[in-house]
Amino acid sequence: EVQVVESGGGLVQPGGSLRLSCAASGFTFSRYWMTWVRQAPGKGLEWVAKIKEDGSDKYHVDSVKGRFTISRDNAKNSLYLQMNSLRAEDTAVYYCATDLGYCSGGACYARYDYWGQGSLVTVSS
Amino acid sequence: AIQMTQSPSSLSASVGDRVTITCRASQGIRNELGWYQQKPGKAPKLLIYAASILESGVPSRFSGSGSGTDFTLTISSLQPEDFATYYCLQDYNYPSTFGQGTKVEIK
Repeated sequence: EVQVVESGGGLVQPGGSLRLSCAASGFTFSRYWMTWVRQAPGKGLEWVAKIKEDGSDKYHVDSVKGRFTISRDNAKNSLYLQMNSLRAEDTAVYYCATDLGYCSGGACYARYDYWGQGSLVTVSS
Repeated sequence: AIQMTQSPSSLSASVGDRVTITCRASQGIRNELGWYQQKPGKAPKLLIYAASILESGVPSRFSGSGSGTDFTLTISSLQPEDFATYYCLQDYNYPSTFGQGTKVEIK
């Protein structure tokens, strides 16, 4: 059974740091792109970051560039999001998701098939 | 970043109704779009990818269409378990972007 489980959320002061982890099991973690998506309280979904299977390519949304870094450890089947210089507007539930992907006709498409339960990050003094 | 505009932002419908949600991209994204369903307090669930391919296990009353800038999610006969919020997501380029969501409520 595929499982992705986030941890590491909590209350942090503005300007502080936090590292989220996502433990994956039930599939070959090293074969798939992984993504972080967040949702502020009562708001919609926001795509945050994505990392290639081997960690060689990483993409971040502009609002977190220079502050957040996505990474992974394939030996530990784990995904991470290092969050520095946190702001009140970073308060959200953070989800990790597996991108199983689908490729056809020379194009590849995202398929965020498996999601964790989410980890709440609250930035407040 | 590509902007995704969904409409309507909310709708009220009855069980058995046909429901259509649209998503418009600020530039062409070919067919690189997915649809996700989210219920309160739960993680999103993938319904459709590559604009029109139904994810395994998703009921056939869900369908997607479109290419370029205009996309549609259709629920052919709304069921009680379909009351939720629906999001489109473009993965044509980075950063990927979600639409603002469409909340489907019971009439």
